[in-house]
Amino acid sequence: GEDVEQSLFLSVREGDSSVINCTYTDSSSTYLYWYKQEPGAGLQLLTYIFSNMDMKQDQRLTVLLNKKDKHLSLRIADTQTGDSAIYFCAESVKSGYALNFGKGTSLLVTP
Amino acid sequence: DAGITQSPRHKVTETGTPVTLRCHQTENHRYMYWYRQDPGHGLRLIHYSYGVKDTDKGEVSDGYSVSRSKTEDFLLTLESATSSQTSVYFCAISDRLAGGYNEQFFGPGTRLTVL
Repeated sequence: GEDVEQSLFLSVREGDSSVINCTYTDSSSTYLYWYKQEPGAGLQLLTYIFSNMDMKQDQRLTVLLNKKDKHLSLRIADTQTGDSAIYFCAESVKSGYALNFGKGTSLLVTP
Repeated sequence: DAGITQSPRHKVTETGTPVTLRCHQTENHRYMYWYRQDPGHGLRLIHYSYGVKDTDKGEVSDGYSVSRSKTEDFLLTLESATSSQTSVYFCAISDRLAGGYNEQFFGPGTRLTVL
């Protein structure tokens, strides 16, 4: 299938904001998701956004969606060392059964 | 945490041998998925199931088969393992709701090495 694009690496200092970007492929995707993977573990859903929304805020997390450009971003405010992980964006595919994942962005938070 | 277990968690095998990985869930979710994770490729869907005995191929299904005889178990078989199948394998489950919301819960993964 077509690729969901993400930058591969991001490094930020503790306390700064992190912004992870994603370009998805399917303009008819109804939901878009951000998953987090900590070292040696499976993926966990961090947050999601419905396609009729432009923004969603959940504590330190802000998701922005630009449907026209098929662009999704995840902002983490006051980034902590515990936020170091790989972040995946994903879209619902047309078949409705599976998710199409990006390659993941590895976030490193330095003290 | 969703009740998903994978077994084995680690396996080393030789080229040409068959290998079966097991995913077990206690959530009674309808949908189950097998993904592989490789550096530079992210997660790629191998096979998925939308009910008992109902399965379909994903993006990278060649060399893999699956079976689902019970709601709780989804087996992934490498018919004749090759070194290119060295990977981390993740099982996921979901109970996709109307409207397309499809939160997937992931197991802890199986690290497979084919020598």
